[in-house]
Parts: sequence; structure tokens; C-alpha cells
Amino acid sequence: EAQVTQNPRYLITVTGKKLTVTCSQNMNHEYMSWYRQDPGLGLRQIYYSMNVEVTDKGDVPEGYKVSRKEKRNFPLILESPSPNQTSLYFCASSFGTGYEQYFGPGTRLTVT
Amino acid sequence: DQQVKQNSPSLSVQEGRISILNCDYTNSMFDYFLWYKKYPAEGPTFLISISSIKDKNEDGRFTVFLNKSAKHLSLHIVPSQPGDSAVYFCAARGGGSQGNLIFGKGTKLSVKP
Repeated sequence: EAQVTQNPRYLITVTGKKLTVTCSQNMNHEYMSWYRQDPGLGLRQIYYSMNVEVTDKGDVPEGYKVSRKEKRNFPLILESPSPNQTSLYFCASSFGTGYEQYFGPGTRLTVT
Repeated sequence: DQQVKQNSPSLSVQEGRISILNCDYTNSMFDYFLWYKKYPAEGPTFLISISSIKDKNEDGRFTVFLNKSAKHLSLHIVPSQPGDSAVYFCAARGGGSQGNLIFGKGTKLSVKP
């Protein structure tokens, strides 16, 4: 089954404690992206990757890091989480930029 | 500045009637538009798209209309069903070289039996 998986689905952590949210897709997609969804703000892009070892900032990259060492995986790293990073995060993938993206189920992160 | 705007945060319609969700954009360089549907506790799922060279695309109960001169697109759902109740996001392919998708804030549709 074609899918995008994210782990964990729910996470509560404390300020400053480094965390990683994993994302994996099994569709051999070149393009992957991370979004955050906040009430009243919709989906905002954090980082994206057009292929292995090629990453770039989206609209709200501050406080986040990503890496793309393998085509299928695109982890999101919060080196020192802060409460303003409490949000719902989605990973997505597609064959190319600007086309139909397949989204993961989301990760709800709470930073206290 | 918001490039893709969904000015109605919510919409309520009766089952069997038409639902019309609207989306406005500001960048005339956008060349591809998509609608996504999102249920609670799930990721958004692709619904329907339209290229800027067309003014209409239809898929079953769902039709998207594009008015380039007005920089406006709309999603029509006919007939609406309770299972259509979800948040709908409009998205446009960005005008930059990377062509990333730019999403609106979403409209929550409630279809009442």
C-alpha cells in the first residue's frame, strides 16, 4: 500500500529537549516536505527536499532542521524545542514539486 | 502576505444541496491548483486539481472552476453528503522556480443530514 508514515503520532516534551520526527514514504517519490498546521493559519511549509541531499527552507524554517540521506526518509529535527513549536506536523511526498502530494497522518507535538 | 486566501472559515449546508467552497489567489504566475480534504486526526488527501489552461475540471460529484481574470477558483460538491464534512484546503503551485505548493487556511464544511 502506497503511504507516508510518521512517528511518533503524539509527543509531549519539554523545552530544550532535542527530538526527531521521522517520515518515510514507499512510493519512490523525489519530493518530500514538512508542514505545520496551526489554528487559523492553515498549512505552512517548514522545509522541503527535491531529492537526496537536496533540501531547502520553506516559509517557517526557524528552529527546525532536516536531512535527506535516503530517498524514502525525511526526518524533522528540533534541536531545542520551544512552546511556540507546539503544533500538528505533516510530512508529504510527491513525484515532483507542485504536484499532488501524499500526506502522512500527522504528528501532534506539545512542548511545555 | 497571503497568496492563497480562503475567506470563509466555515460553511454549513444541507445534505443533498450544493456546497460551494471559494478560493482567491494573488499571484498570476500560479499555473496549477489543487483541492485537498482533511478529516480530523488524518492527513490531507488530494481531491481534485485544475491546470491554469482550463476553466473547469469535473470528477464525479466534485467540480472545480477556475476564473483566471478574477484570480478565483471554486469547488462545487453536488449533491453534498454528510461524509463530505471535513476541512477543505485550496492550494496553488508557487510562482517561484521551485514550484512549491502554497496552501490556503482552509474552510470547514459541515453537511447536515
